[in-house]
Amino acid sequence: QLQLQESGPGLVKPSETLSLTCTVSGGSISSRSYYWGWIRRPPGKGLEWIGSIYYGGSTYYNPSLKSRVTISVDTSKNQFSLRLSSVTAADTAVYYCARCLPAVAVAFRAFDIWGQGTMVTVSS
Amino acid sequence: QSALTQPASVSGSPGQSITISCTGTSSDVGGYNYVSWYQQLPGKAPKLMIYDVTNRPSGVSYRFSGSKSGNTASLTISGLQAEDEADYYCSSYTSSSTWVFGGGTKLTVL
Repeated sequence: QLQLQESGPGLVKPSETLSLTCTVSGGSISSRSYYWGWIRRPPGKGLEWIGSIYYGGSTYYNPSLKSRVTISVDTSKNQFSLRLSSVTAADTAVYYCARCLPAVAVAFRAFDIWGQGTMVTVSS
Repeated sequence: QSALTQPASVSGSPGQSITISCTGTSSDVGGYNYVSWYQQLPGKAPKLMIYDVTNRPSGVSYRFSGSKSGNTASLTISGLQAEDEADYYCSSYTSSSTWVFGGGTKLTVL
């Protein structure tokens, strides 16, 4: 049974870089056709897609975050990672990693398996 | 990109049916059949309930169904149960090769 688990610091200072890792177990991150994504939920707000990556390195990013976001993959560790630079209080959120359900005409169609989420607070 | 529009809250009594709407544009909901719905129970991760507008993943109750007309998608829950009380989110692929979520709807079972 595929499982995803987020890890990383729970507290980040303003202007610094937020770094999170998602470890995939029970399956290979290199499975053909699957993208892997990051989604967040700020307190009191709705879900926001951050970006997604294929094991081969192809990426898609939310335009509103693109200038600050880097998503990478490490197939040897079965992990993918998120880096968000120049963070502010507005980046405080629960961050989720998820598997993206493949599609034919587009990269993927939905987020079908999620990690439990990790709370990241931006504060000095 | 703008978030899809959902009602902030809906409510219903046990046994009733409710519908949650999700309104976008011809560049997202109206243009593609890649609309999905997620249930988020308090303190839990979101769970995929509907994908490709109408499809239910294995294990999701038949009481959950999806549909779309024009730029608006809908999630219907029939035979409402107390355990259905949660936040619900829609999501859609967009013409910019990105994915956008709705603002979320809080379902209260009276």
